[in-house]
Amino acid sequence: GAGVSQSPSNKVTEKGKDVELRCDPISGHTALYWYRQSLGQGLEFLIYFQGNSAPDKSGLPSDRFSAERTGGSVSTLTIQRTQQEDSAVYLCASSLAAGEVREQYFGPGTRLTVT
Amino acid sequence: DAKTTQPNSMESNEEEPVHLPCNHSTISGTDYIHWYRQLPSQGPEYVIHGLTSNVNNRMASLAIAEDRKSSTLILHRATLRDAAVYYCILRVSTGRRALTFGSGTRLQVQP
Repeated sequence: GAGVSQSPSNKVTEKGKDVELRCDPISGHTALYWYRQSLGQGLEFLIYFQGNSAPDKSGLPSDRFSAERTGGSVSTLTIQRTQQEDSAVYLCASSLAAGEVREQYFGPGTRLTVT
Repeated sequence: DAKTTQPNSMESNEEEPVHLPCNHSTISGTDYIHWYRQLPSQGPEYVIHGLTSNVNNRMASLAIAEDRKSSTLILHRATLRDAAVYYCILRVSTGRRALTFGSGTRLQVQP
């Protein structure tokens, strides 16, 4: 079946511009996660959605970052006034439910380059 | 969250078994041990998880020490496609549901 998809696969933007990154989770998955991976670094948690519960935003690095999940499915991560340090691969993952035994399925990521 | 410690890198030859170690001496009784791997230019991929007993699936085996302070991911016959960064992750039963990735072990497989 279809996996997690993300778009665009690559995005180059100028410093100061806003960007939107999209994630389509696996159908039926109620939990959705955003992570980012800077060059040569490990994965860093950003935000997580579980059903209709309030999202866990504890990983967002600044108030320039926000995310929403419409209709319990598609999610959009928005970065306002992008900075060069925002350059990274942004990864989305989904799982059947949140929990310590549920495996997460990752998308291919969006590579963001801020010039 | 409890911390895991893994070697930075390991090498293996194709078609040989590979044992990837992970230390987690501060693991709590309800923490699950998960393994993910990340192939070059791809998102991470789930490999296996366990709590106390050893586990087997089509990809690998997970051997968990009796005191649960360490575990070993076993790839029975390494292939070139298994070259990746392997992450050992503890998933707590409460609190944040996201994965906390460390630096992992970079596995190189020689033909």
